[in-house]
Amino acid sequence: KNQVEQSPQSLIILEGKNCTLQCNYTVSPFSNLRWYKQDTGRGPVSLTIMTFSENTKSNGRYTATLDADTKQSSLHITASQLSDSASYICVVSAYSSASKIIFGSGTRLSIRP
Amino acid sequence: NAGVTQTPKFRVLKTGQSMTLLCAQDMNHEYMYWYRQDPGMGLRLIHYSVGEGTTAKGEVPDGYNVSRLKKQNFLLGLESAAPSQTSVYFCASSSTGTRGGETQYFGPGTRLLVL
Repeated sequence: KNQVEQSPQSLIILEGKNCTLQCNYTVSPFSNLRWYKQDTGRGPVSLTIMTFSENTKSNGRYTATLDADTKQSSLHITASQLSDSASYICVVSAYSSASKIIFGSGTRLSIRP
Repeated sequence: NAGVTQTPKFRVLKTGQSMTLLCAQDMNHEYMYWYRQDPGMGLRLIHYSVGEGTTAKGEVPDGYNVSRLKKQNFLLGLESAAPSQTSVYFCASSSTGTRGGETQYFGPGTRLLVL
């Protein structure tokens, strides 16, 4: 069964600290993995996209890694800011059809001043 | 350039009522999607379209219908609303399918409450 599991479900850190969010998937055949940021009451916004051949991708203070062998990805946030408070969603697409897009349930990150 | 817009932002329905959610995009994208987001769950695909005049079922299509008469618009209809359809609905679009790594652009969402 195609699944995307994220951990932790929620995380609270102090402003300025770093954190790492995890994503494990069983989607097959794998096409690409994305990380989205979703602010409360808004739609998700893409942060990074990685295909099978890419094992790291950065977007400012966000760095995503992908291990296609173990089917794991992580999103590392450096020097967190209050505006990083949001849900972070891992999404995996399969090659089988346009509809095989599996969303994780997200990690809710809260940054405290 | 508004991106993806959704109408309405919030709606309350009584069980059995019908309504249509409108999604519009101004990026000339071929692909459009309707998702629902429920607490503690990932977004689930309801229906999608790979071009004007075409639609296909996603993961949870029951109770919903869609139409794509114009390339820029994707309508989601509920013929007879049920409390289980209480959710936040997101529309998204992309220039091509996501298999190629294309980014999906999401609208702001429509919050629907069915009593």
